[in-house]
Amino acid sequence: QKEVEQNSGPLSVPEGAIASLNCTYSDRVSQSFFWYRQYSGKSPELIMSIYSNGDKEDGRFTAQLNKASQYVSLLIRDSQPSDSATYLCAVNRGGFQKLVFGTGTRLLVSP
Amino acid sequence: DAGVIQSPRHEVTEMGQEVTLRCKLISGHNSLFWYRQTMMRGLELLIYFNNNVPIDDSGMPEDRFSAKMPNASFSTLKIQPSEPRDSAVYFCASSLASGVNEQFFGPGTRLTVL
Repeated sequence: QKEVEQNSGPLSVPEGAIASLNCTYSDRVSQSFFWYRQYSGKSPELIMSIYSNGDKEDGRFTAQLNKASQYVSLLIRDSQPSDSATYLCAVNRGGFQKLVFGTGTRLLVSP
Repeated sequence: DAGVIQSPRHEVTEMGQEVTLRCKLISGHNSLFWYRQTMMRGLELLIYFNNNVPIDDSGMPEDRFSAKMPNASFSTLKIQPSEPRDSAVYFCASSLASGVNEQFFGPGTRLTVL
């Protein structure tokens, strides 16, 4: 079992719709959870971090964490073609320990 | 504020040559991470440092790879000798080690070994 699992996609949504990206992790002691966006040919860009169960909203983005189910998700409201990218989920045990990345979900938002 | 700086941005070399990649951390950060990304293997952590000390180098592929952090803000990743299978994009990321540990990536170095 991979430490962090994501569906590779592509996830296709029409412009204006809600895109829902999901991630599961295997290590129950994980404390910090991150979503990175990576455009083709570019470096990963941190867009959301979440540390407590529940929802965290930032603009059109909402991160959701359920530690009991070992599940973290990213919702993108009012999806735009510019949101088309690969979204990487990353998990950390805390402190300066390493991040473990999923393989990413490719999102395609069609006009 | 300047982000993570990496050089060179592109490197093309021949098999057997030595390659040195460079990274400058964000000012005030004290942890540095070297990653490699390929289509086949995704994003892999090679090694990371905290306060100039290597913490975990278990991701370094083999002895041909070495990394140093000669001061608090600068690191090098060296491959000697290079092989075609080392072709990848190499990213450096920095963070301020704390309970948060948000990592910020540099632009990467695209390495091609012929």
